[in-house]
Amino acid sequence: DAGVIQSPRHEVTEMGQEVTLRCKPISGHNSLFWYRQTMMRGLELLIYFNNNVPIDDSGMPEDRFSAKMPNASFSTLKIQPSEPRDSAVYFCASSFGGLAGDYEQYFGPGTRLTVT
Amino acid sequence: AQSVTQLDSHVSVSEGTPVLLRCNYSSSYSPSLFWYVQHPNKGLQLLLKYTSAATLVKGINGFEAEFKKSETSFHLTKPSAHMSDAAEYFCVVSDLSNDMRFGAGTRLTVKP
Repeated sequence: DAGVIQSPRHEVTEMGQEVTLRCKPISGHNSLFWYRQTMMRGLELLIYFNNNVPIDDSGMPEDRFSAKMPNASFSTLKIQPSEPRDSAVYFCASSFGGLAGDYEQYFGPGTRLTVT
Repeated sequence: AQSVTQLDSHVSVSEGTPVLLRCNYSSSYSPSLFWYVQHPNKGLQLLLKYTSAATLVKGINGFEAEFKKSETSFHLTKPSAHMSDAAEYFCVVSDLSNDMRFGAGTRLTVKP
């Protein structure tokens, strides 16, 4: 298996532009997670899906952020409009299992977003 | 509510000496606990996990961790550090609802 695939790996955009980050989870996994990592705040869970349904989006910073999972093999995280403080590395992770918390998460390589 | 505290933001050891990365947790339920490693410009990789089975958990690359309920700790150890162990390490606590809380991370430096 290729593992969790994220695209793009690097994104540089100007303030006010829309940014879309993409994630393909590992085939057969039914939970998907979006994280943001910065030096100041560390690793933060933004949202997670189980069987394509958003379960907890309490970590989404504000309405400028939205996430979708139209099917089991694809998810997007969108920022519109983007701001310089959104600059971070965004990770997608997937796991197999229900809502119990003892399943290993497999992380993608991350997307490094820079908003100027 | 649950939380996790990594007691050291940075640990420096010499190659061949033991490694100890400390983690304390707080959880209302019997938690699952994990250690992840992140090498520079890479995603996180699972080192080991505890899910209410044996309290001493062995992971990859010679790492192990011991769950101590009385001390609410889950410290990560390795008998002999290698240069390739230099990375950021995250302790994670998770309860029944898949709500995973990551520690702030400990950066391990290994000196030759």
